[in-house]
Formats: sequence, C-alpha cells, structure tokens
Amino acid sequence: EDKVVQSPLSLVVHEGDTVTLNCSYEVTNFRSLLWYKQEKKAPTFLFMLTSSGIEKKSGRLSSILDKKELSSILNITATQTGDSAIYLCAALRGGGADGLTFGKGTHLIIQP
Amino acid sequence: KAGVTQTPRYLIKTRGQQVTLSCSPISGHRSVSWYQQTPGQGLQFLFEYFSETQRNKGNFPGRFSGRQFSNSRSEMNVSTLELGDSALYLCASSLGLAGQGEQFFGPGTRLTVL
Repeated sequence: EDKVVQSPLSLVVHEGDTVTLNCSYEVTNFRSLLWYKQEKKAPTFLFMLTSSGIEKKSGRLSSILDKKELSSILNITATQTGDSAIYLCAALRGGGADGLTFGKGTHLIIQP
Repeated sequence: KAGVTQTPRYLIKTRGQQVTLSCSPISGHRSVSWYQQTPGQGLQFLFEYFSETQRNKGNFPGRFSGRQFSNSRSEMNVSTLELGDSALYLCASSLGLAGQGEQFFGPGTRLTVL
C-alpha cells in the first residue's frame, strides 16, 4: 500500500525563522511529488518535483526531491504570519493506476 | 477565469440516506478528481474522471460512486451514509490527468452525517 509520511505533524515558530518540512514516501512506480498549502479550505498548489536533486524555488519557498532517500523537503525562509497553514505533500504513482497519495500534513503556525 | 466550484458547501444528512455532491471544473479542464479529508486520515483519493471516464479509483467502498458529464462537470454520490462519512469532500480539476501538472481545488463540501 502506498504511503506518504510527513514530519513534524505540527510546528510553531516565530516570524522570521526558517522552517524545514519533511516528506517521505513509499509509492509503487513513483512518478512525482507535489506540495500544497492549505489555508481554511482549498489546497493550493506549490511545487511538483519529478527529478532528484533539482531545487524548485518560488520566492521564500523552495523544495527538493531525493529519490535515493525517497523523500522531499520544503523550506520556508524568513517566515511570515501569512505562511501559517497546513502543508501537504502528495506522491503520484504511475503505471496505469495514477492517483495521488497524500500525507497527513504539517500544521505550521507562525507567531508574530 | 472562474475557479473550481462545488455545491452545496454544507450538507447535513442522517445515517442511511444518500447524497449527491457537484463539482464544476475550471473551463477547459478535462480531469476532475475527488478527495475525502478527515482529521484522522488526512486527504484520501476517491476517484478521478477524465473525458467522462473513470480513470482511477481509491480504496473506498462501492457506496461511493461518481460520474462526469460531457461538459466536464462531475457528481459524486454516496449511498447508505454512515457516521464515518462525515468529512470535507474536495474536488480538483486539471487540464490533463491528475498529477501531470497543477491541480486546482474547489472550496469543498462539508458533509455531516448524524
């Protein structure tokens, strides 16, 4: 059974800190890994990673995939209160049975 | 461009009843995926429809079913509701198959089963 595990489950930091969120996966015929940010209701897409070792960056957020270690990290530098959210990672499997397996998320709280 | 819309936003049902949820994808998107989100289990994949065909199905009982119409709008049906079906049901649309690119999520339907 496909599995995605995120850590930590929750994290409280102060504004300006840098945080690293972890995601590990065990997915048959792994194709790609995706990160989402969920505030209130609908998750919003952050990154999709398919190649190992290549960092994707968007402003203060960056992510990298390590296929050897079956893991990914999401970094947020100079955190702001608006970064408070649940961060979800999801692994996509291929091989004719596409589907996303989500982790339970990391609940990040940024204190002013 | 209008986003993904879901109706209704909130629903209260009793055990044994059935429910139909609706999802309208972003114009031009052909894939609609459905997910169930609960505090204990997180986000779980239900099924994906692409061009009116179910492409993938998650590990849910047959009480959960869906369909997609020619305009890409999708409905999800849950029959014989159980207390454990209480959850936030999210749909997401994408141009191609889920996971091949960005998925856009709707605001969700909060279902409460009493």
